Amino acid sequence: EIVMTQSPATLSVSPGERVTLSCRASQSISSNLAWYQQKPGQAPGLLIFGASTRATGIPARFSGSGSGTEFTLTISSLQSEDFAVYYCQQYDTWLMYTFGQGTKLEIK
Amino acid sequence: QVQLQESGPGLVKPSETLSLTCTVSGASVSSGNFYWSWIRQPAGEGLEWIGRIHTSGTTNYNPSLKSRVTISADMSKNHLSLKLTSVTAADTAVYYCARETSNCFDSWGQGTLVTVSS
Repeated sequence: EIVMTQSPATLSVSPGERVTLSCRASQSISSNLAWYQQKPGQAPGLLIFGASTRATGIPARFSGSGSGTEFTLTISSLQSEDFAVYYCQQYDTWLMYTFGQGTKLEIK
Repeated sequence: QVQLQESGPGLVKPSETLSLTCTVSGASVSSGNFYWSWIRQPAGEGLEWIGRIHTSGTTNYNPSLKSRVTISADMSKNHLSLKLTSVTAADTAVYYCARETSNCFDSWGQGTLVTVSS
């Protein structure tokens, strides 16, 4: 099983700041990584796939990068609606998808 | 626009079988090159992929749950089903159904909470 590790678990930031979230895979997954945003009481929503491609309707302030085992999600200027939990998901092994444990963005 | 809606009992007794349905609108569970997955999330925790079914009927399951899980599709009702046998408190979670496109989950249901308790 490919283990996905996200850091930090919680990040306290102010609106307008730039923030970078990290996701590490226990083995190389090429660019087979997606990012999701989950707000309280809601289902996750797809942000990024293929490590760096924004999903339909996702604002340009969200960007993803990385390949192999190290990935990042950057939000260039945090908006109030961006405070949420973010999950990465690997799909290099289609027989077993795995998610990271999440990073919570909270207002400083 | 694809919409998914989970439904089923909110309370299941230990050792019994959890049965959920996901009603799909805006797409067919039996046509197109799509997979339909079930994913769960215990309260305050992360996401766990349970398994999936292709429009062709092919299924894949999380190895850790494979012995207890069955996912099926009903073309006539355009819905998916999840059955999880021999449940314990560890199976208490919000259960989501989701459509998979290019190995990512691009449409999700709102989720349904299932509590395992006597």
